[in-house]
Amino acid sequence: AAGVIQSPRHLIKEKRETATLKCYPIPRHDTVYWYQQGPGQDPQFLISFYEKMQSDKGSIPDRFSAQQFSDYHSELNMSSLELGDSALYFCASSAPGAIYEQYFGPGTRLTVT
Amino acid sequence: AQSVTQPDIHITVSEGASLELRCNYSYGATPYLFWYVQSPGQGLQLLLKYFSGDTLVQGIKGFEAEFKRSQSSFNLRKPSVHWSDAAEYFCAVGALRSGYSTLTFGKGTMLLVSP
Repeated sequence: AAGVIQSPRHLIKEKRETATLKCYPIPRHDTVYWYQQGPGQDPQFLISFYEKMQSDKGSIPDRFSAQQFSDYHSELNMSSLELGDSALYFCASSAPGAIYEQYFGPGTRLTVT
Repeated sequence: AQSVTQPDIHITVSEGASLELRCNYSYGATPYLFWYVQSPGQGLQLLLKYFSGDTLVQGIKGFEAEFKRSQSSFNLRKPSVHWSDAAEYFCAVGALRSGYSTLTFGKGTMLLVSP
């Protein structure tokens, strides 16, 4: 079965640079969620999109922005990167009417040096 | 606001022994509860979920969990642990915010399996 695809899987950036993470949800899933998992931490909800509109916002820094496109893929844009942004970034998706059942991608490991 | 507590940071179990991982939640309404497993460097895999109905839910890989409203708990169990079960386990509660669901995770329990 198709799963959530995230790219790239690994990314190394320097402080103050920008990064773009991509997420391709499971086909026919219309809701996308982004989570950030710091080293040794639990995943923290950042932001979600439903039908290309932002549906909810968690602890996402103002330096980050995200959007969902017409094909339902989503991109997380991160600017002015800081060392503390180093983390595993997960994307999850859910099917119409099944918002409580989120399927996670493998994650993008971002390292800021 | 909802919260999840996993009291055990690490648990070591002998292969073939039974396992119980504890999870307590705090949520004002009927919770939607989940257990996810994460292998090192990997994503989160859904093991099982509770929405309503039968309080004992079966999941993949031989895991089960029991919802106990009176104790605000959703403990994960497996009768016989295999070495491949070594991973980190996260309990999560789903809550509606602005009409859409978000997941709040516990801090995780790292399961170590000894020979």
